Amino acid sequence: KAGVTQTPRYLIKTRGQQVTLSCSPISGHRSVSWYQQTPGQGLQFLFEYFSETQRNKGNFPGRFSGRQFSNSRSEMNVSTLELGDSALYLCASSLAGSGRGYEQYFGPGTRLTVT
Amino acid sequence: GENVEQHPSTLSVQEGDSAVIKCTYSDSASNYFPWYKQELGKRPQLIIDIRSNVGEKKDQRIAVTLNKTAKHFSLHITETQPEDSAVYFCAASSPGGGNKLTFGTGTQLKVEL
Repeated sequence: KAGVTQTPRYLIKTRGQQVTLSCSPISGHRSVSWYQQTPGQGLQFLFEYFSETQRNKGNFPGRFSGRQFSNSRSEMNVSTLELGDSALYLCASSLAGSGRGYEQYFGPGTRLTVT
Repeated sequence: GENVEQHPSTLSVQEGDSAVIKCTYSDSASNYFPWYKQELGKRPQLIIDIRSNVGEKKDQRIAVTLNKTAKHFSLHITETQPEDSAVYFCAASSPGGGNKLTFGTGTQLKVEL
């Protein structure tokens, strides 16, 4: 099976702009989670989508949003970009379920630089 | 919410030696504990995981142990090789939290020849 893919791989944006990142999960996986990775804060959970519904949300401002399509592909959007949003954005796909953890497999990430 | 602490932050071992990385978690309801390896410029790769109904799990040179009473779990790598050099992250997931993973801060493992 093909792995998790993310596009674009690299992105440079200016403060105040908005950006949309895309994630295609492993075939058959219905859950997509998004994480932000920075040297200072490490890996932090943004949100999870399952069957087109946001199932869980981390402690990020409302400028961070996402959605999932019927084919399980997911997008995340960051509006009004700030310098501190510069990070590696990773998505992870999982067979999902509830009440127990499922293996999550990460994509290569999108490196976002805000200038 | 869940909090995961990871130690040490850096670990240097000689090739062939063993390496141990330890994590503690705060939510006693957490029931799934994966470990990820991330090489420079690469994605985190799931290397082993353990569920709360199991005390130990092995996969070749890698093993994970879980102590639910003490709320800590550890990664053990035996016969380390240069290709084991990477950053290792532990994580925890709680029921009711969907697939949300709370990660430790990472351990930079360096295997020296």
